[in-house]
Amino acid sequence: DSGVTQTPKHLITATGQRVTLRCSPRSGDLSVYWYQQSLDQGLQFLIQYYNGEERAKGNILERFSAQQFPDLHSELNLSSLELGDSALYFCASSPVGDGRYEQYFGPGTRLTVT
Amino acid sequence: DAKTTQPNSMESNEEEPVHLPCNHSTISGTDYIHWYRQLPSQGPEYVIHGLTSNVNNRMASLAIAEDRKSSTLILHRATLRDAAVYYCIPMSGGSNYKLTFGKGTLLTVNP
Repeated sequence: DSGVTQTPKHLITATGQRVTLRCSPRSGDLSVYWYQQSLDQGLQFLIQYYNGEERAKGNILERFSAQQFPDLHSELNLSSLELGDSALYFCASSPVGDGRYEQYFGPGTRLTVT
Repeated sequence: DAKTTQPNSMESNEEEPVHLPCNHSTISGTDYIHWYRQLPSQGPEYVIHGLTSNVNNRMASLAIAEDRKSSTLILHRATLRDAAVYYCIPMSGGSNYKLTFGKGTLLTVNP
Protein backbone atom coordinates (compact mmCIF):
# COMPACT_ATOMS: atom_id res chain seq x y z
CA ASP A 1 0.00 0.00 0.00
CA SER A 2 1.59 3.25 -1.22
CA GLY A 3 -0.54 5.50 0.97
CA VAL A 4 -2.02 7.23 -2.10
CA THR A 5 -5.74 6.69 -2.54
CA GLN A 6 -7.81 7.14 -5.66
CA THR A 7 -11.55 7.02 -6.15
CA PRO A 8 -13.44 5.59 -7.84
CA LYS A 9 -11.66 2.39 -8.85
CA HIS A 10 -13.79 1.95 -11.94
CA LEU A 11 -15.91 4.36 -13.91
CA ILE A 12 -18.08 3.61 -16.93
CA THR A 13 -19.66 6.51 -18.74
CA ALA A 14 -20.88 7.58 -22.16
CA THR A 15 -19.28 9.78 -24.76
CA GLY A 16 -19.87 13.47 -24.19
CA GLN A 17 -20.14 13.13 -20.44
CA ARG A 18 -18.00 14.65 -17.71
CA VAL A 19 -16.32 12.82 -14.82
CA THR A 20 -14.19 13.70 -11.82
CA LEU A 21 -11.40 11.52 -10.51
CA ARG A 22 -10.16 12.05 -6.99
CA CYS A 23 -6.75 11.54 -5.42
CA SER A 24 -5.55 11.80 -1.83
CA PRO A 25 -1.77 12.00 -1.51
CA ARG A 26 0.37 10.37 1.14
CA SER A 27 0.38 12.18 4.44
CA GLY A 28 2.87 15.03 4.30
CA ASP A 29 3.36 15.00 0.52
CA LEU A 30 2.82 18.40 -1.07
CA SER A 31 3.08 17.42 -4.72
CA VAL A 32 0.53 15.51 -6.78
CA TYR A 33 0.97 14.18 -10.31
CA TRP A 34 -1.58 12.78 -12.75
CA TYR A 35 -0.73 10.18 -15.40
CA GLN A 36 -2.74 8.46 -18.10
CA GLN A 37 -2.03 4.92 -19.26
CA SER A 38 -3.65 3.61 -22.41
CA LEU A 39 -2.78 0.53 -24.42
CA ASP A 40 -1.43 2.45 -27.39
CA GLN A 41 0.25 5.39 -25.62
CA GLY A 42 1.80 3.83 -22.54
CA LEU A 43 2.16 5.90 -19.35
CA GLN A 44 1.94 9.62 -20.04
CA PHE A 45 2.37 12.52 -17.65
CA LEU A 46 -0.58 14.89 -17.61
CA ILE A 47 -0.06 17.54 -14.94
CA GLN A 48 1.63 18.27 -11.62
CA TYR A 49 0.53 20.38 -8.66
CA TYR A 50 2.63 21.50 -5.75
CA ASN A 51 0.96 22.88 -2.63
CA GLY A 52 -2.08 24.02 -4.57
CA GLU A 53 -0.26 25.55 -7.53
CA GLU A 54 0.14 24.07 -10.99
CA ARG A 55 3.84 23.36 -11.54
CA ALA A 56 4.19 21.37 -14.74
CA LYS A 57 2.00 20.38 -17.64
CA GLY A 58 2.41 17.45 -19.97
CA ASN A 59 0.21 16.11 -22.73
CA ILE A 60 -3.03 17.16 -21.10
CA LEU A 61 -5.96 17.89 -23.40
CA GLU A 62 -7.88 21.16 -23.10
CA ARG A 63 -10.96 19.10 -22.21
CA PHE A 64 -9.14 17.96 -19.08
CA SER A 65 -8.44 20.08 -16.04
CA ALA A 66 -7.17 19.51 -12.55
CA GLN A 67 -6.81 21.26 -9.25
CA GLN A 68 -5.27 20.70 -5.84
CA PHE A 69 -7.24 21.79 -2.82
CA PRO A 70 -6.01 23.32 0.47
CA ASP A 71 -6.15 19.88 2.13
CA LEU A 72 -3.83 18.74 -0.70
CA HIS A 73 -6.20 16.28 -2.30
CA SER A 74 -6.50 16.65 -6.05
CA GLU A 75 -9.20 16.18 -8.63
CA LEU A 76 -8.87 15.52 -12.35
CA ASN A 77 -11.87 16.62 -14.38
CA LEU A 78 -12.45 15.06 -17.79
CA SER A 79 -15.17 16.57 -19.97
CA SER A 80 -16.70 15.96 -23.40
CA LEU A 81 -15.44 12.43 -23.11
CA GLU A 82 -14.44 10.50 -26.20
CA LEU A 83 -13.90 6.78 -26.72
CA GLY A 84 -10.17 7.42 -26.84
CA ASP A 85 -10.18 8.74 -23.28
CA SER A 86 -10.73 5.21 -22.01
CA ALA A 87 -7.63 4.48 -19.97
CA LEU A 88 -6.17 3.97 -16.54
CA TYR A 89 -5.59 7.23 -14.71
CA PHE A 90 -2.94 7.22 -11.99
CA CYS A 91 -2.22 9.77 -9.36
CA ALA A 92 1.16 9.95 -7.65
CA SER A 93 2.50 12.04 -4.80
CA SER A 94 5.90 13.08 -3.53
CA PRO A 95 7.16 15.25 -0.69
CA VAL A 96 8.44 18.14 -2.78
CA GLY A 97 8.07 17.49 -6.47
CA ASP A 98 11.44 17.20 -8.09
CA GLY A 99 13.88 14.45 -8.89
CA ARG A 100 15.40 14.35 -5.43
CA TYR A 101 12.39 12.44 -4.21
CA GLU A 102 10.52 9.38 -5.34
CA GLN A 103 6.89 9.34 -6.42
CA TYR A 104 4.32 7.01 -4.89
CA PHE A 105 1.48 5.91 -7.11
CA GLY A 106 -2.11 5.14 -6.30
CA PRO A 107 -3.95 2.07 -7.57
CA GLY A 108 -5.54 4.01 -10.42
CA THR A 109 -9.00 4.70 -11.76
CA ARG A 110 -10.06 2.67 -14.79
CA LEU A 111 -12.22 4.83 -17.03
CA THR A 112 -14.30 3.22 -19.74
CA VAL A 113 -16.09 5.48 -22.20
CA THR A 114 -18.81 3.76 -24.22
CA ASP B 1 14.11 15.04 -21.58
CA ALA B 2 17.00 12.61 -21.45
CA LYS B 3 16.49 9.66 -23.79
CA THR B 4 16.77 6.16 -22.30
CA THR B 5 17.40 2.77 -23.88
CA GLN B 6 16.43 -0.44 -22.15
CA PRO B 7 16.13 -4.03 -23.42
CA ASN B 8 12.56 -4.86 -24.36
CA SER B 9 12.60 -8.01 -22.27
CA MET B 10 14.78 -10.12 -19.98
CA GLU B 11 14.36 -13.47 -18.35
CA SER B 12 15.64 -14.77 -15.04
CA ASN B 13 15.27 -17.76 -12.78
CA GLU B 14 13.87 -17.54 -9.31
CA GLU B 15 16.43 -16.84 -6.55
CA GLU B 16 19.08 -15.77 -9.06
CA PRO B 17 20.40 -12.19 -9.35
CA VAL B 18 19.08 -10.00 -12.14
CA HIS B 19 20.91 -7.08 -13.71
CA LEU B 20 18.67 -4.70 -15.64
CA PRO B 21 20.64 -2.22 -17.76
CA CYS B 22 19.69 1.27 -18.88
CA ASN B 23 21.52 3.69 -21.14
CA HIS B 24 20.86 7.39 -20.64
CA SER B 25 23.68 9.02 -22.54
CA THR B 26 21.97 12.45 -22.77
CA ILE B 27 21.40 12.76 -19.04
CA SER B 28 22.11 16.16 -17.55
CA GLY B 29 24.22 16.79 -14.48
CA THR B 30 21.21 17.50 -12.28
CA ASP B 31 19.12 14.51 -13.35
CA TYR B 32 18.46 11.81 -10.80
CA ILE B 33 18.09 8.28 -12.14
CA HIS B 34 14.82 6.78 -11.01
CA TRP B 35 13.64 3.19 -11.39
CA TYR B 36 10.03 2.19 -11.16
CA ARG B 37 8.27 -1.07 -11.91
CA GLN B 38 4.75 -1.95 -12.80
CA LEU B 39 3.22 -5.29 -12.00
CA PRO B 40 0.26 -6.44 -14.09
CA SER B 41 -2.94 -4.54 -13.31
CA GLN B 42 -1.25 -2.32 -10.73
CA GLY B 43 0.07 1.21 -10.51
CA PRO B 44 3.78 1.89 -10.95
CA GLU B 45 5.87 1.19 -7.87
CA TYR B 46 8.98 3.08 -6.82
CA VAL B 47 12.09 0.89 -6.69
CA ILE B 48 15.14 3.07 -6.18
CA HIS B 49 16.84 6.27 -7.33
CA GLY B 50 20.23 7.92 -7.19
CA LEU B 51 22.36 10.77 -8.51
CA THR B 52 25.99 9.71 -8.68
CA SER B 53 26.80 7.12 -6.08
CA ASN B 54 25.60 3.55 -6.00
CA VAL B 55 22.50 3.12 -3.86
CA ASN B 56 21.02 0.23 -1.92
CA ASN B 57 17.62 -0.27 -0.36
CA ARG B 58 15.57 -3.22 0.77
CA MET B 59 14.27 -3.86 -2.73
CA ALA B 60 17.31 -3.46 -4.94
CA SER B 61 20.68 -1.89 -5.66
CA LEU B 62 21.43 0.77 -8.23
CA ALA B 63 24.85 0.89 -9.84
CA ILE B 64 25.56 4.15 -11.68
CA ALA B 65 28.41 4.39 -14.16
CA GLU B 66 31.10 6.92 -13.40
CA ASP B 67 30.18 9.00 -16.47
CA ARG B 68 26.49 8.61 -15.52
CA LYS B 69 25.57 7.60 -19.04
CA SER B 70 24.29 4.23 -17.91
CA SER B 71 22.99 2.51 -14.84
CA THR B 72 22.08 -1.01 -13.74
CA LEU B 73 19.29 -2.06 -11.44
CA ILE B 74 20.25 -5.15 -9.48
CA LEU B 75 17.71 -7.47 -7.92
CA HIS B 76 19.81 -9.69 -5.70
CA ARG B 77 17.48 -12.71 -5.60
CA ALA B 78 14.61 -12.59 -8.03
CA THR B 79 11.23 -13.84 -6.88
CA LEU B 80 8.10 -14.50 -8.88
CA ARG B 81 6.72 -11.27 -7.45
CA ASP B 82 9.50 -9.36 -9.24
CA ALA B 83 8.00 -10.17 -12.64
CA ALA B 84 7.06 -6.73 -13.95
CA VAL B 85 7.91 -3.99 -16.42
CA TYR B 86 10.89 -2.00 -15.15
CA TYR B 87 11.30 1.64 -16.15
CA CYS B 88 14.50 3.65 -15.94
CA ILE B 89 13.70 7.39 -15.85
CA PRO B 90 16.00 10.38 -15.50
CA MET B 91 14.28 13.14 -13.57
CA SER B 92 15.61 16.61 -12.98
CA GLY B 93 16.47 17.64 -9.48
CA GLY B 94 15.84 21.27 -10.32
CA SER B 95 13.06 21.55 -12.88
CA ASN B 96 11.04 19.53 -15.36
CA TYR B 97 9.35 17.57 -12.66
CA LYS B 98 7.59 14.89 -14.62
CA LEU B 99 8.49 11.24 -15.01
CA THR B 100 8.70 10.36 -18.68
CA PHE B 101 8.01 6.65 -19.01
CA GLY B 102 9.47 4.80 -21.98
CA LYS B 103 8.60 1.23 -22.89
CA GLY B 104 10.69 -0.31 -20.11
CA THR B 105 11.99 -3.86 -19.75
CA LEU B 106 9.58 -6.72 -19.24
CA LEU B 107 11.19 -9.06 -16.71
CA THR B 108 10.01 -12.65 -16.67
CA VAL B 109 10.98 -14.77 -13.67
CA ASN B 110 10.93 -18.53 -14.13
CA PRO B 111 10.21 -20.80 -11.14
